[in-house]
Amino acid sequence: EIVLTQSPGTLSLSPGERATLSCRASQSVSSNFLAWYQQKPGQAPRLLIYTASSRATGIPDRFSGSGSGTDFTLTISRLEPEDFALYYCQQYGTSPVTFGGGTKVEIK
Amino acid sequence: QLQLQESGPGLVKPSETLSLTCTVSGGSISSYSWSWIRQPAGKGLEWIGRIYTSGGTNYNPSLKSRVTMSVDTAKKQISLKLNSVTAADTAVYYCAKVNGTYALEDYWGQGTLVTVSS
Repeated sequence: EIVLTQSPGTLSLSPGERATLSCRASQSVSSNFLAWYQQKPGQAPRLLIYTASSRATGIPDRFSGSGSGTDFTLTISRLEPEDFALYYCQQYGTSPVTFGGGTKVEIK
Repeated sequence: QLQLQESGPGLVKPSETLSLTCTVSGGSISSYSWSWIRQPAGKGLEWIGRIYTSGGTNYNPSLKSRVTMSVDTAKKQISLKLNSVTAADTAVYYCAKVNGTYALEDYWGQGTLVTVSS
């Protein structure tokens, strides 16, 4: 199975700052079928980005995804208070679907 | 608006079978494929498997020997059965709708906690 490694484990930033989250795959992600989810405590994950760079419906444009092959990035251009949360990447191009271990974005 | 509600026993004894249902409202159950995903407390997400509109299934090899998924269109429910459970199966279990175009989980239920303990 494809192993996804997210870094850093925790990102400590202030509101208004830029967040850059990394997701590296153990092998190439088929068709760049790479997604990003946001999860807040006690809530289900919410889809942010799919096919590496397409924003899901209703997602603000401060969220952007990039990358291809084995290296992917989620960028939050200016952190809003509601953006402090856990973020997971997921590859869905090769079965089984797998998730990264997550990056926590916390308030500095 | 689509709503997914997972339900089932919150406590299951070791070696027994975990049985959960996901009730779909506000949308057509037969129009989509459906996934189950789980998350142990404080840990990451594990994809359990998917049931397609055709009725076919695809399970995570790590769980394949113990998992069964099915759909009851009349009741608008997706079911998950996981047999021979151990403490390692303690987790929040989510059902999720699969996007028909991109084959990923684009909408999730709120999840239900299942604890395996005697």
